[in-house]
Amino acid sequence: GQQLNQSPQSMFIQEGEDVSMNCTSSSIFNTWLWYKQDPGEGPVLLIALYKAGELTSNGRLTAQFGITRKDSFLNISASIPSDVGIYFCAGQELTGANNLFFGTGTRLTVIP
Amino acid sequence: DAGITQSPRHKVTETGTPVTLRCHQTENHRYMYWYRQDPGHGLRLIHYSYGVKDTDKGEVSDGYSVSRSKTEDFLLTLESATSSQTSVYFCAISVAGTANYGYTFGSGTRLTVV
Repeated sequence: GQQLNQSPQSMFIQEGEDVSMNCTSSSIFNTWLWYKQDPGEGPVLLIALYKAGELTSNGRLTAQFGITRKDSFLNISASIPSDVGIYFCAGQELTGANNLFFGTGTRLTVIP
Repeated sequence: DAGITQSPRHKVTETGTPVTLRCHQTENHRYMYWYRQDPGHGLRLIHYSYGVKDTDKGEVSDGYSVSRSKTEDFLLTLESATSSQTSVYFCAISVAGTANYGYTFGSGTRLTVV
C-alpha cells in the first residue's frame, strides 16, 4: 500500500502556541485531507485540498497542498485545550478505486 | 451526526471463532468502507463497497470478508479470528467515491481477540 509519513508522531505544547505538522508520500495524490480524531470516536474531516499549491484555512487551521503533490502540512494557530487529539493526513488518488490512504497520525497534547 | 452507526462498540472473542461487525447508515450513500486502526499504522482499508452486492478488496483484506445485501448495511466478517486482528474497526460512508464529497466515519468497534 501507499506509504504516508506523518511527523511529528506526538507533540506537547502550551496553550496559545502554534502547531505545525506535515505529511509526505512516496506517491502523487490528487487530493489531500486532514482529519482529527477524538478519543473513542472516528476521524472527522477538518480541511480538504484539491490542487497543488492550494492554501486553505478553516478558522485557526491552515493547510497546504505541496507543489510536488507528494506532501501537505497543517498549522494550528493559538492552540486551545480542545485541540487535543490525533491528527491524520490522508491522500487520495484519482485512479482505480479512489481509495484514501492515511498517515500514521500526530498525537497533540495541549497543556493549559 | 451523519447517520452512521457501528455495532457492537466493543467485543471480546476467542481465537478461531467467526465474528461479524455491522455498519448501518441512514444516508443512502453509495460507497461504504471498512478500515482498521492500529498504533503506528494509521487507518488501513480492509474492504469497500460501491453498491449493493458490489465489493472489492482493500490494502489488508486477508482474513476478512464483507457483504452488502442492502444499501444501508455493510457487514465485515472475520472468518476465523486471530490475535493479529485485535484492533479498532471503523466504517465510513461517502456519497461518491471521491474525497470531494467527504468520508464520514462511524465511532468504531473495539475488537479484542484472546
